[in-house]
Amino acid sequence: GQQVMQIPQYQHVQEGEDFTTYCNSSTTLSNIQWYKQRPGGHPVFLIQLVKSGEVKKQKRLTFQFGEAKKNSSLHITATQTTDVGTYFCNGKSTFGDGTTLTVKP
Amino acid sequence: NAGVTQTPKFQVLKTGQSMTLQCAQDMNHEYMSWYRQDPGMGLRLIHYSVGAGITDQGEVPNGYNVSRSTTEDFPLRLLSAAPSQTSVYFCASSQGLASSGANVLTFGAGSRLTVL
Repeated sequence: GQQVMQIPQYQHVQEGEDFTTYCNSSTTLSNIQWYKQRPGGHPVFLIQLVKSGEVKKQKRLTFQFGEAKKNSSLHITATQTTDVGTYFCNGKSTFGDGTTLTVKP
Repeated sequence: NAGVTQTPKFQVLKTGQSMTLQCAQDMNHEYMSWYRQDPGMGLRLIHYSVGAGITDQGEVPNGYNVSRSTTEDFPLRLLSAAPSQTSVYFCASSQGLASSGANVLTFGAGSRLTVL
């Protein structure tokens, strides 16, 4: 069956440093979604990418969808303590295992 | 708009007991689903429904039953709870299917289940 792999599993950064999480699917995706889950909370939708090579930005967050539509990345510039949480990608109802980001003030 | 409402928030069961986790949405979404979340294992799909009267199995369906008698409600039943079912359960809904553009998932707040 389809597999969605996400790396790294954990990332610890100093506030102000950049952060990137990568998502790789074993099959081609029609679209990919990113969600954020704060500690103790539930996943909340961030963005959906549909087109090959698409890049979308939300303030300090940059999302990319690969040319082959099998991989994606989320990059956060100059992390803040409010960025703490677990970031999940989702393709065809299969979630990656998430990347948990901790930010040291 | 309440969105997706899950009850109970917390539950402790003994092995062999049965219970139902409730999920209701007021967004007229066709698609509803149940996920379980275990530490380090992300979100795994248990069962899903593409409309009233239609349900199907996800990645980890064993030990769980579902039904969808109305568009709004999608309860998850554990017939004989086991310690391996200790987890956090999330219900989610969307307007459409995973392959469509209207498939953004709205999650409930979660139900934390402990089976002793």
